[in-house]
Amino acid sequence: GDSVTQMEGPVTLSEEAFLTINCTYTATGYPSLFWYVQYPGEGLQLLLKATKADDKGSNKGFEATYRKETTSFHLEKGSVQVSDSAVYFCALSGTGRRALTFGSGTRLQVQP
Amino acid sequence: GAGVSQSPSNKVTEKGKDVELRCDPISGHTALYWYRQRLGQGLEFLIYFQGNSAPDKSGLPSDRFSAERTGESVSTLTIQRTQQEDSAVYLCASSFSGTEYQPQHFGDGTRLSIL
Repeated sequence: GDSVTQMEGPVTLSEEAFLTINCTYTATGYPSLFWYVQYPGEGLQLLLKATKADDKGSNKGFEATYRKETTSFHLEKGSVQVSDSAVYFCALSGTGRRALTFGSGTRLQVQP
Repeated sequence: GAGVSQSPSNKVTEKGKDVELRCDPISGHTALYWYRQRLGQGLEFLIYFQGNSAPDKSGLPSDRFSAERTGESVSTLTIQRTQQEDSAVYLCASSFSGTEYQPQHFGDGTRLSIL
């Protein structure tokens, strides 16, 4: 079945540091890929998405590129802020299944 | 409302009791999903409704779990004879059409605690 693997956290960075959170997936066909973010005390929010190979999703300075050859969708940001501290979830939606398959989440802590 | 609404936001109950959780999706969204998030873990899919089609119940962990949805409106998730392992945040999401391209929009969840 489909699966998503994320790097384990917590990831602790200083403000303005470069962020990478790795995400790889296993799926049949051509899934759509998503990053969701959960800020402290809040619900899950869609951060960005990509629906086909080589697409780049971007939002709020975050980017992720759909790499079919490496089955990856790594999240990057050039300069993190304290307000980016949250839990980030990578997810996919397969062609045969509409429900999202989530990774286990990566907690990001940004220190001033 | 503008977003997915869930109630109650918190529920504490004794082991063995039945609980009912409610989800009000975004107006016009034909697809509705229920997920469970245990402490420190990712989300587990429970059940999916798309329009008037038969629901996808493949994620329900046992026959104590059931869910209903009338048309394209409110859904209720019922857990009978609750067990301590049912303690989790139950999240509802809706999407415009249920295709894999459409992002799912999540409610704030119901935090269920079984004593």
